[in-house]
Amino acid sequence: EAQVTQNPRYLITVTGKKLTVTCSQNMNHEYMSWYRQDPGLGLRQIYYSMNVEVTDKGDVPEGYKVSRKEKRNFPLILESPSPNQTSLYFCASSFYGLAGGANTGELFFGEGSRLTVL
Amino acid sequence: GQNIDQPTEMTATEGAIVQINCTYQTSGFNGLFWYQQHAGEAPTFLSYNVLDGLEEKGRFSSFLSRSKGYSYLLLKELQMKDSASYLCAVRDPRSGAGSYQLTFGKGTKLSVIP
Repeated sequence: EAQVTQNPRYLITVTGKKLTVTCSQNMNHEYMSWYRQDPGLGLRQIYYSMNVEVTDKGDVPEGYKVSRKEKRNFPLILESPSPNQTSLYFCASSFYGLAGGANTGELFFGEGSRLTVL
Repeated sequence: GQNIDQPTEMTATEGAIVQINCTYQTSGFNGLFWYQQHAGEAPTFLSYNVLDGLEEKGRFSSFLSRSKGYSYLLLKELQMKDSASYLCAVRDPRSGAGSYQLTFGKGTKLSVIP
């Protein structure tokens, strides 16, 4: 089954304790991205990756790191979490194709990781 | 910059038709997506428009006018399970040749009532 898998799904942690949210996709997608979703703010992009070893900042990258050592994995790292990083996080992937044909480049989302930083 | 506007909330009656509008102002354009998101769940893809006109997919249709920076999602024969947030997203170039990103609107929360 084609899917994007995130772990953990739920996490409560304390300020300053480093954590990693893993993301893995089995669709051989080139493009992967992390979003956070907060009430009233919608989905905001944190980081994205066009392919292995190619990453770039999204709209809200402060306080986060990512890596793309393998095509299927794109972990999100919070080196020193703070309460303002309490949020619902989504990983997503897609083929990196332009418009046309059967490939719309639609994003496939993971189930989400709800993170609380105390 | 990128700006996408859609109504915050809408309410409609089971069996009726509802239209959710989306207007956008982006630095470029390479397609508009609609996603459905039930509370606490992941967004799921509904439709994609890159050319002007109407795309129909069962009970759901999506319309695009690039000259007006406008799209709408039309839901027919509403069912209770259609209660969800509907996200409009525009794909636009951000940096470098061939780099496209999705910018999401804040979503429209649709409540379907009996």
